[in-house]
Amino acid sequence: NAGVTQTPKFQVLKTGQSMTLQCAQDMNHNSMYWYRQDPGMGLRLIYYSASEGTTDKGEVPNGYNVSRLNKREFSLRLESAAPSQTSVYFCASSDRTGAVGYTFGSGTRLTVV
Amino acid sequence: AQSVTQLDSQVPVFEEAPVELRCNYSSSVSVYLFWYVQYPNQGLQLLLKYLSGSTLVESINGFEAEFNKSQTSFHLRKPSVHISDTAEYFCAVTRISSGSARQLTFGSGTQLTVLP
Repeated sequence: NAGVTQTPKFQVLKTGQSMTLQCAQDMNHNSMYWYRQDPGMGLRLIYYSASEGTTDKGEVPNGYNVSRLNKREFSLRLESAAPSQTSVYFCASSDRTGAVGYTFGSGTRLTVV
Repeated sequence: AQSVTQLDSQVPVFEEAPVELRCNYSSSVSVYLFWYVQYPNQGLQLLLKYLSGSTLVESINGFEAEFNKSQTSFHLRKPSVHISDTAEYFCAVTRISSGSARQLTFGSGTQLTVLP
């Protein structure tokens, strides 16, 4: 099925550990996004990639890095995890027009202890 | 920059009753508007969208939303809800004139709980 695939689905990290969240889409979309979801705060944009080879900061980029590996893949890295990064992370993709909206992955639930 | 306000964080309603989930937005330029639904432990799914034309838009499962430019609102309604409509609903907006990446700004969400 076409869509956005995220791995892993669950992860527990100790403070200071690093990890990479993977995201891949097979809809030939140009733009990809990483959001975090916290209770009562909706979704907040961490980083986005308008097209292959470009990345930009969103609303809450501190503590994260991203890589747009190719048109299909967009990864999110936590270099030194902190408890404040406990959240659910969603990857999404869209075409250039924005008229079709976003397609979301199923999320990664990350707990930092 | 644009912003989205969802006025109710929780809406309980009995099965077969009507419901309205409120959304107001702020933007200095024209926007596209969206409603997304999130079922427990799942990602967000597009429910409906307003791009242009008729201000009333409908989804395949009976929801509708009306774009009101003067009131900068995009409220979501359903005349008769089902238990299966229990979910969190997010209103979102993107500026039409933004660059090549269509950044969506989300509201904080409304938890709709349908009671038997």
